[in-house]
Amino acid sequence: AQKVTQAQTEISVVEKEDVTLDCVYETRDTTYYLFWYKQPPSGELVFLIRRNSFDEQNEISGRYSWNFQKSTSSFNFTITASQVVDSAVYFCALTGSYDKVIFGPGTSLSVIP
Amino acid sequence: DGGITQSPKYLFRKEGQNVTLSCEQNLNHDAMYWYRQDPGQGLRLIYYSQIVNDFQKGDIAEGYSVSREKKESFPLTVTSAQKNPTAFYLCASSAGLLMAQHFGDGTRLSIL
Repeated sequence: AQKVTQAQTEISVVEKEDVTLDCVYETRDTTYYLFWYKQPPSGELVFLIRRNSFDEQNEISGRYSWNFQKSTSSFNFTITASQVVDSAVYFCALTGSYDKVIFGPGTSLSVIP
Repeated sequence: DGGITQSPKYLFRKEGQNVTLSCEQNLNHDAMYWYRQDPGQGLRLIYYSQIVNDFQKGDIAEGYSVSREKKESFPLTVTSAQKNPTAFYLCASSAGLLMAQHFGDGTRLSIL
């Protein structure tokens, strides 16, 4: 069975602070894909990143960075110098073996000005 | 611009009534999905379709039905058998099950 855990239900940070959102996954597949999505207050989910299980390189995109560690089954997301516009719910997701995507419960991030 | 269009944005259902939520995509994606999101909750998969004329039940399919007669369209019907339909419904599409999903703006369904 596949499972995604996002232990942080809610996080509040002050603007310009760095924040890391944790994602821990479980899967028996050797080939799988991990995703992060952002859901702003407007409701639409926005795709942020897709990473396959064979690529453990960290990724950086502007203020966003992702740390994928197979040894700990984690795919953590860091926002550097957070901004108010980063306030949203962030979902980590997992798929493998051509099965449906499993979403984590989400982490609600509030960035306080 | 390519994207996913969900309509209506808000929908109200009377007791015993079936309602249909529309989802159209012009991304030429093969796979389409319907999710339900309750306040403060994550996404739960209702139905998904990998190709035209084929669809599979997700985790909470009871009380819902879908069709996939065209690649671009994947309407969801909330039937009267769904006793607690009040929720936010999200439609998504992707090039394949392993690919990133693109989401619509969602439909908020409420009971009158």
